[in-house]
Amino acid sequence: QQQVKQSPQSLIVQKGGISIINCAYENTAFDYFPWYQQFPGKGPALLIAIRPDVSEKKEGRFTISFNKSAKQFSLHIMDSQPGDSATYFCAASMGSGYSTLTFGKGTMLLVSP
Amino acid sequence: SAVISQKPSRDICQRGTSLTIQCQVDSQVTMMFWYRQQPGQSLTLIATANQGSEATYESGFVIDKFPISRPNLTFSTLTVSNMSPEDSSIYLCSVKQYTGAPYGYTFGSGTRLTVV
Repeated sequence: QQQVKQSPQSLIVQKGGISIINCAYENTAFDYFPWYQQFPGKGPALLIAIRPDVSEKKEGRFTISFNKSAKQFSLHIMDSQPGDSATYFCAASMGSGYSTLTFGKGTMLLVSP
Repeated sequence: SAVISQKPSRDICQRGTSLTIQCQVDSQVTMMFWYRQQPGQSLTLIATANQGSEATYESGFVIDKFPISRPNLTFSTLTVSNMSPEDSSIYLCSVKQYTGAPYGYTFGSGTRLTVV
C-alpha cells in the first residue's frame, strides 16, 4: 500500500525559530515530492516541491531536504513567522503520466509571537 | 497557475438529500481530481475525472454515492448522494498542470459540507 508518513502531528515554534517537518515514504517509484500549506477555510496551496535527483531545494525561507536512500524528505521553515501558522502536508506521486498524489496526515504548525 | 472556482463554498444539508458541487477551471486541463478532507484530517482521493471517459474511483468510493460529470476540459461536478452525517467533510477539486509554474497539482478552496 502506498503510504506517506508525516511527523510531528503538531508543532509549536517561537517566532524566528526553525520549523522542521518530516516525511517518509515506501514506494520507490515516487519521483515527485511536494509540500502543501493549508490555512483554515482554504484549499491546500503548493509551497515547494522536489524531485529525487537533487538533495535539497530552497525557495526563500522554505527548504526541502531529500534523502533518497532513507526514503525521507523534510521541510524546513527558517525564521518562522506567525503568518506561517497553518497545516502542512507532504505528498508524493509518480510525477509523469496519470498518477495521483498520496498525502501525509498533516502537521499543524503554530508559530508563537 | 490554473485558477479553480468551486461552488458552493459551504452548505448545510439534510440527511437523505444530495448536493452537487461544481468545479470550474480557467484553463483547459486533462485531469481533474476530487478529494475529501474530513475535519482535522488529510486529503483522500475520491476519483479522477478525465474528459470523455468515465471517472475512476478509489477504493472505498463508488459511483452511486459520488457520481461525477466531466462534460468538457474546464468543468466538472461531484454529487454527494443520499447524504448522512458521515459525509460531512470538505470536498476539494484539483487539477494537474504539466507546464508553467507551479508545476503540479492545484486545489480549489473547497466546499465545506455539513449534513444534519
